[in-house]
Amino acid sequence: AQSVAQPEDQVNVAEGNPLTVKCTYSVSGNPYLFWYVQYPNRGLQFLLKYITGDNLVKGSYGFEAEFNKSQTSFHLKKPSALVSDSALYFCAVRDPGGATNKLIFGTGTLLAVQP
Amino acid sequence: EAQVTQNPRYLITVTGKKLTVTCSQNMNHEYMSWYRQDPGLGLRQIYYSMNVEVTDKGDVPEGYKVSRKEKRNFPLILESPSPNQTSLYFCASSGRDRVARETQYFGPGTRLLVL
Repeated sequence: AQSVAQPEDQVNVAEGNPLTVKCTYSVSGNPYLFWYVQYPNRGLQFLLKYITGDNLVKGSYGFEAEFNKSQTSFHLKKPSALVSDSALYFCAVRDPGGATNKLIFGTGTLLAVQP
Repeated sequence: EAQVTQNPRYLITVTGKKLTVTCSQNMNHEYMSWYRQDPGLGLRQIYYSMNVEVTDKGDVPEGYKVSRKEKRNFPLILESPSPNQTSLYFCASSGRDRVARETQYFGPGTRLLVL
């Protein structure tokens, strides 16, 4: 069965420092991987995706993620955190061979950026 | 503006009182889904629809119904709500071709409290 794990419930980082939000996955075959962000009282916003190709994927708001097949990871990164990055981040995987478009989500990681 | 809308955004109701949460998208998407978000569990798919008059159960369908009479609308129906359906609900949509399926667009969410 497909699954996604976000091992940290919360990540704290000082403004200006680099940030990493971790995600590991378990899926048969080649995964489609996604990061979404949820700001307070808002819906989910798409950040970036990995489908195929370059292992380093660049997305919105200066975020990027690195696909590592040997470690089955897809960590979200940003070189310099902003206070406005504080939000709930979800990693998700989709089975490219599946008949539905279902996303399997991780449990979410709350990112808190201190000024 | 391309968007997914949900109504109502907030709802307080009592056990057993039927309710409907509406979802509408203006992107002519074939795929639509409903998810619920609960703390520590991430988002889980309730129902999905691959096109008009085509719906199927997701991972947590018990207590819910859906219909897809028109392409743009995908209402979620709780015939007899119970307190364990207190949650944050998201509607999502995406296109059908291989590329369009890669990104799902989410509505702003509906926060439901069942007393």
